[in-house]
Amino acid sequence: GAGVSQSPSNKVTEKGKDVELRCDPISGHTALYWYRQSLGQGLEFLIYFQGNSAPDKSGLPSDRFSAERTGGSVSTLTIQRTQQEDSAVYLCASSRLRTGEGYTFGSGTRLTVV
Amino acid sequence: AQTVTQSQPEMSVQEAETVTLSCTYDTSENNYYLFWYKQPPSRQMILVIRQEAYKQQNATENRFSVNFQKAAKSFSLKISDSQLGDTAMYFCAFMNRVGGGSNYKLTFGKGTLLTVNP
Repeated sequence: GAGVSQSPSNKVTEKGKDVELRCDPISGHTALYWYRQSLGQGLEFLIYFQGNSAPDKSGLPSDRFSAERTGGSVSTLTIQRTQQEDSAVYLCASSRLRTGEGYTFGSGTRLTVV
Repeated sequence: AQTVTQSQPEMSVQEAETVTLSCTYDTSENNYYLFWYKQPPSRQMILVIRQEAYKQQNATENRFSVNFQKAAKSFSLKISDSQLGDTAMYFCAFMNRVGGGSNYKLTFGKGTLLTVNP
């Protein structure tokens, strides 16, 4: 697509439930990134995909967080047994490899755990 | 590990005036890239300007320009003729190649909330 698309735009869930956040990157962008932005904070790196593999998942805060990417395109970030501290905006970005052009971001998913 | 520091959590400026946002970073690398991103209330992160560390000339994009001081590890953003639409959170970011591979990783500062007043 023309831009990075994320869905849903907003998600309210009850504590303890599982949620799935979706990211559809720009066509042809091999690299895909997930970041978390908590209120008043900067962007916290979660995980990076190169194609379908994740060479760097060092930012995932706990084993309740997982992500996958299929077909070198769409990625899903799953949070199991959500906690209130998981409330944040989750941003996805994509880029071409071997370039310092920077990332193109989606508009994010605002997750609220009640 | 690379760190990016934005020392001004909030700033304000009058419409049509000039404002400078500060950013410093810490790295032992020689080749890297620096960025300023803008995040309006829509949450969309928009690339404002990009600087390659090996270039001495400061990057400029219309009303936006940077003052890149490599030795001081400083990368400030100057917005001239401020407009109401410039109101947003501004993030400074550092990018370098990691792991000897093909990945470039962005590290962000905590941001500066800029308000342009009419």
